[in-house]
Amino acid sequence: NAGVMQNPRHLVRRRGQEARLRCSPMKGHSHVYWYRQLPEEGLKFMVYLQKENIIDESGMPKERFSAEFPKEGPSILRIQQVVRGDSAAYFCASSVGTARNIQYFGAGTRLSVL
Amino acid sequence: AQRVTQPEKLLSVFKGAPVELKCNYSYSGSPELFWYVQYSRQRLQLLLRHISRESIKGFTADLNKGETSFHLKKPFAQEEDSAMYYCALSRETSGSRLTFGEGTQLTVNP
Repeated sequence: NAGVMQNPRHLVRRRGQEARLRCSPMKGHSHVYWYRQLPEEGLKFMVYLQKENIIDESGMPKERFSAEFPKEGPSILRIQQVVRGDSAAYFCASSVGTARNIQYFGAGTRLSVL
Repeated sequence: AQRVTQPEKLLSVFKGAPVELKCNYSYSGSPELFWYVQYSRQRLQLLLRHISRESIKGFTADLNKGETSFHLKKPFAQEEDSAMYYCALSRETSGSRLTFGEGTQLTVNP
């Protein structure tokens, strides 16, 4: 099992561009979580998705951020019109439906906004 | 709202010394507590969870509901224990987001 795969590992964007972060959960996992880690801070929950459904998006900023987990393919975290404050490490985790609290993490995507 | 506090950002001990990483939480319900570890250049991985009541790599952690704490302990630290440790809380056992502390960077000196 390859584990949770995130790509790209590093992403550089200029202010105003769009950033797309991808996450492929572990095989057999149908629950995906996104977390953000700002410099010198802990991980902060953003959104929790199951296939084709957003279950909890209480941690998502109200504007410019969106997430999806389609029936086929990876989960995507999309940030439109990036600003310098979006520079952070974004982590994805996945879990199995029957033991949902054990979350397995990807290596993260480090977004740098110039 | 739930909150997790790790009061020490940095902790340095010598090899063979006991180590305790502190974690306090606030949550009015029945939480599930976890310790995650991130070794240098590796991904975050689960170290242990309170409902398992097991020892992993010599580490143990006991949930103290009276003191709302979940401190991580190891009697004899090893150099390979040097890593970033995060305490995390989940609100319910049926699937929920994790609330993380800010982490403690443990350094074990030779």
